[in-house]
Amino acid sequence: DSGVTQTPKHLITATGQRVTLRCSPRSGDLSVYWYQQSLDQGLQFLIQYYNGEERAKGNILERFSAQQFPDLHSELNLSSLELGDSALYFCASSARTGRADTQYFGPGTRLTVL
Amino acid sequence: QQQVKQSPQSLIVQKGGISIINCAYENTAFDYFPWYQQFPGKGPALLIAIRPDVSEKKEGRFTISFNKSAKQFSLHIMDSQPGDSATYFCAGGGSNYKLTFGKGTLLTVNP
Repeated sequence: DSGVTQTPKHLITATGQRVTLRCSPRSGDLSVYWYQQSLDQGLQFLIQYYNGEERAKGNILERFSAQQFPDLHSELNLSSLELGDSALYFCASSARTGRADTQYFGPGTRLTVL
Repeated sequence: QQQVKQSPQSLIVQKGGISIINCAYENTAFDYFPWYQQFPGKGPALLIAIRPDVSEKKEGRFTISFNKSAKQFSLHIMDSQPGDSATYFCAGGGSNYKLTFGKGTLLTVNP
């Protein structure tokens, strides 16, 4: 158990809909990262937050957005869903050490868009 | 300059054999190179990591070899066991905290 929690575990929805994925980082970790994992693209970095502020953006679509709240939990919002958005979405957290360090991954949310 | 290239895509090894997975990176600003292990239906879990000030790091049956001049690093799994069957990801990270992952290697260890 990494200490990172994600809800829900599974999500099935229809095209055009909007969903919210939730992540709670390890106790004491200030950074949260979101990744998308699909068979053909591997683990793709989406976005990073540190202590409530956006720090880095990766291959995140404009239909996707995220935020980190004062209690440090984070939410990833996916809107106008398409079939191709079906994937595993992982959240990871790390303590800020001034450089890249261990990221602890949650169990993921499997999103299926029908 | 953000790519991390990982090979092979899949690997089959007999129990007791040595599994070797290779990665090459482009970004010379990377100073952290972790390997993650992922079982089906689970999130990736850190296996072992290295920083470029050393050329090798060993933890139990797992060893990372690092070649800074060639911008390559590899994972060696000694005495491979069926329980090691999983997908392995290498990654590189720098001062922006972000990790760039390789595409993964599916390792199968036959009993």
